[in-house]
Amino acid sequence: AQKITQTQPGMFVQEKEAVTLDCTYDTSDPSYGLFWYKQPSSGEMIFLIYQGSYDQQNATEGRYSLNFQKARKSANLVISASQLGDSAMYFCAMRARDSGGSNYKLTFGKGTLLTVNP
Amino acid sequence: EAQVTQNPRYLITVTGKKLTVTCSQNMNHEYMSWYRQDPGLGLRQIYYSMNVEVTDKGDVPEGYKVSRKEKRNFPLILESPSPNQTSLYFCASSLRGALSSTDTQYFGPGTRLTVL
Repeated sequence: AQKITQTQPGMFVQEKEAVTLDCTYDTSDPSYGLFWYKQPSSGEMIFLIYQGSYDQQNATEGRYSLNFQKARKSANLVISASQLGDSAMYFCAMRARDSGGSNYKLTFGKGTLLTVNP
Repeated sequence: EAQVTQNPRYLITVTGKKLTVTCSQNMNHEYMSWYRQDPGLGLRQIYYSMNVEVTDKGDVPEGYKVSRKEKRNFPLILESPSPNQTSLYFCASSLRGALSSTDTQYFGPGTRLTVL
């Protein structure tokens, strides 16, 4: 079965510094996708970045980049130059098929609460 | 504007009183899904639909019903709500969902439900 692990319940970072949020995953499916979502205190889920299992390069979207280490099965989110508005819960998710299955399922980690200090 | 909408955004009800949370998307997505979010548990899938008239159970379907009569709408029905269904509920949609590893899922704003 697929599994997503976020080992950091909470993280603190100073404004303007970079921060890395950890995510490890487990799947037997060779074709999978990895996603990061941001959930501010207002509650909505905002898509940030995507990385495909066959992508050769790490994904980047503005200040967000995904440090994809396939052999280690990790997909860490890097936020550069943190801003106060980055304070939120961050979820890592993976879309993959169960062993023997044909449908892709999106599985979420339990999240990391990031606090950016001024 | 491309979006997923949910109503109501907040709901307080009593045990056993049937309720429906509506969900609608305007992106012509085939795949729609319902999740519940609880502290420390992350998001768990309740039901999903791969297309009109095609629905299937997710990880926590007990106590919920869904229907998909039109492509754009995917209501969540609680026939007899109980306090353990107090949660934050999200509707989501994506173009192909369960058929693709690359599909990005877009979420509605959430419905905060309290069952007394």
